[in-house]
Order: sequence, then C-alpha cells, then structure tokens
Amino acid sequence: DAGITQSPRYKITETGRQVTLMCHQTWSHSYMFWYRQDLGHGLRLIYYSAAADITDKGEVPDGYVVSRSKTENFPLTLESATRSQTSVYFCASRGLAGEETQYFGPGTRLLVL
Amino acid sequence: LAKTTQPISMDSYEGQEVNITCSHNNIATNDYITWYQQFPSQGPRFIIQGYKTKVTNEVASLFIPADRKSSTLSLPRVSLSDTAVYYCLVGDISYGQNFVFGPGTRLSVLP
Repeated sequence: DAGITQSPRYKITETGRQVTLMCHQTWSHSYMFWYRQDLGHGLRLIYYSAAADITDKGEVPDGYVVSRSKTENFPLTLESATRSQTSVYFCASRGLAGEETQYFGPGTRLLVL
Repeated sequence: LAKTTQPISMDSYEGQEVNITCSHNNIATNDYITWYQQFPSQGPRFIIQGYKTKVTNEVASLFIPADRKSSTLSLPRVSLSDTAVYYCLVGDISYGQNFVFGPGTRLSVLP
C-alpha cells in the first residue's frame, strides 16, 4: 500500500533491551523524521534525515540511533531502553525543501517495563 | 526557532465557527505558519499553511496580520468530528527540521 507505515504498532519491552522501530514510505520523499509524543504533550523531534545516508539530531536524540541506507526506510533504534522512553513514536516524511506537508505514520506505542 | 503560544483548550458547539489564535512574536522573515490537526491515536495531519494575509482551503482559513506576530485558524461550522488537538507551527520550510510542535490546542466540539 502507498503511504507511510510503521511497525510494530505496539511494543512492550524491558529496561536495557534494544528495540528497533521501523518506518517505511513509498513516496520517495527526501526528508524523514522521528518524533516522540508523551501523554498530554506535543511532539518532540528525535532525529531527522534529509536524504539517504544523511541524518541529524533533533531536540531529544539521547538514547536513540537512526540510520538511512535506503530512501524509503528510516529505522529508529533504542540501544538500551529505559522507562523514560515509554512513549508514542511517530515517523513522518516530506518531499523536497519547500513542500508544505509532513505526512505522519500511524505511530508505535512503546512501553518499557 | 520561533516559539508559539496558543490556548491549551477550547470548547465549541456544533455548527459554530471556531477561531484558534496562535502567537509567534519572534517569527523570522523566511518563516511560514503551518497548522496540523491530530485525532487521538493518530499522527498529525496537515490542515493549512500561509505566509501572510489570508489563505483558504476546503477545510479551513488562515488569517495572518501584516506584522505576522500572530495567526488565526478559522474552522467554519464545526462538527463533532472536528474534536482534536490543533498545532500551530512556525518555521522555514526551506529546511527539513525547523518545525517545533508545542502542546497544541485541544478543541472539544459539543452537540
């Protein structure tokens, strides 16, 4: 299906485990983003990528790692999950600079016990 | 990055026009104003974007005064399905990551 998808949609893990959240888009958009949203708050940017093999930190990058070997995929890895990383994670993509819209995925709900 | 301030919550009734105002006193010359809508358990969805004066699309209007230090999202004749959180963002769309989402405005539309 066309669009932007995230997997898994729900994940429960334990403190200290490594977790990878997947994001896939079919538009060949240049820009991709990872946000986290905590209960009652807005979205905070974790990492973004302007193109394949180009990534940069956002507002709250600590504890996260990203890669972008292919334009359509932008996985987010929690190297050693902590309880404070319990959140809803949204992936988004956007076309070339100047295009107006970020398209968001459905989100991944992560619970770290 | 330009900081935005908007009301935390608003209530309205079906059929009314709703205006949500966002303040952005330190908006930069190249910044655009963008509004997103978010329903529970979903990612945000783009509503409208503008630079100055007025922009209208099929779902909303955006009013921006000459000094651009504020903007108003106008939703005509809201329905129950417009109950959502609305985010005002200010940033330079020439770059990829200049958008900062604040807590947004939680709009509740009552029957």
